[in-house]
Amino acid sequence: SQTIHQWPATLVQPVGSPLSLECTVEGTSNPNLYWYRQAAGRGLQLLFYSVGIGQISSEVPQNLSASRPQDRQFILSSKKLLLSDSGFYLCAWSGGQGMRTEAFFGQGTRLTVV
Amino acid sequence: SQQGEEDPQALSIQEGENATMNCSYKTSINNLQWYRQNSGRGLVHLILIRSNEREKHSGRLRVTLDTSKKSSSLLITASRAADTASYFCATSPFTGTASKLTFGTGTRLQVTL
Repeated sequence: SQTIHQWPATLVQPVGSPLSLECTVEGTSNPNLYWYRQAAGRGLQLLFYSVGIGQISSEVPQNLSASRPQDRQFILSSKKLLLSDSGFYLCAWSGGQGMRTEAFFGQGTRLTVV
Repeated sequence: SQQGEEDPQALSIQEGENATMNCSYKTSINNLQWYRQNSGRGLVHLILIRSNEREKHSGRLRVTLDTSKKSSSLLITASRAADTASYFCATSPFTGTASKLTFGTGTRLQVTL
């Protein structure tokens, strides 16, 4: 069966510090990978999505970047965090070997920038 | 920008009642999906309806899709306290990037005993 791991679950970082959130998928190959951000009590904003290694599409200009160094690994990064980067970050996958149309989400990372 | 907008933003009902949530979207779609999110957790897929379908059932869930009005509804029948969560619609575009999902703003459902 397929699983998605996202870590850490919570993170408190000072303004100006770097960020690295990691997401890995198991049990499938060549998945589509996504990073979403959710503000408190709000919907999900698509930040980045990737259809293959090294292929990253950015949806909104921001202080963040994403990379996909391996087929099932997706990393969200920042060189210098801003207060506005606080939020709930969710990694997800779809597609893969089973051509799954629905998305499967990790448990999320609660980021607080102080 | 959000593709989907759910209505109402919040809904409070008693256990046993039915809950209806609506979703409107703006552009042509390949399919529309509904997800559930418990507080502080990831989203869980509930049901998918394709653009050529009008109604779909799964257990206590019933989804309708009206592509002419660009709207969908999710009905949860005989609600339970465990149904308390936020519910989101998500659309997949009618392009080659069919896998890219755009989520709405969500409906917060509270089911009380």
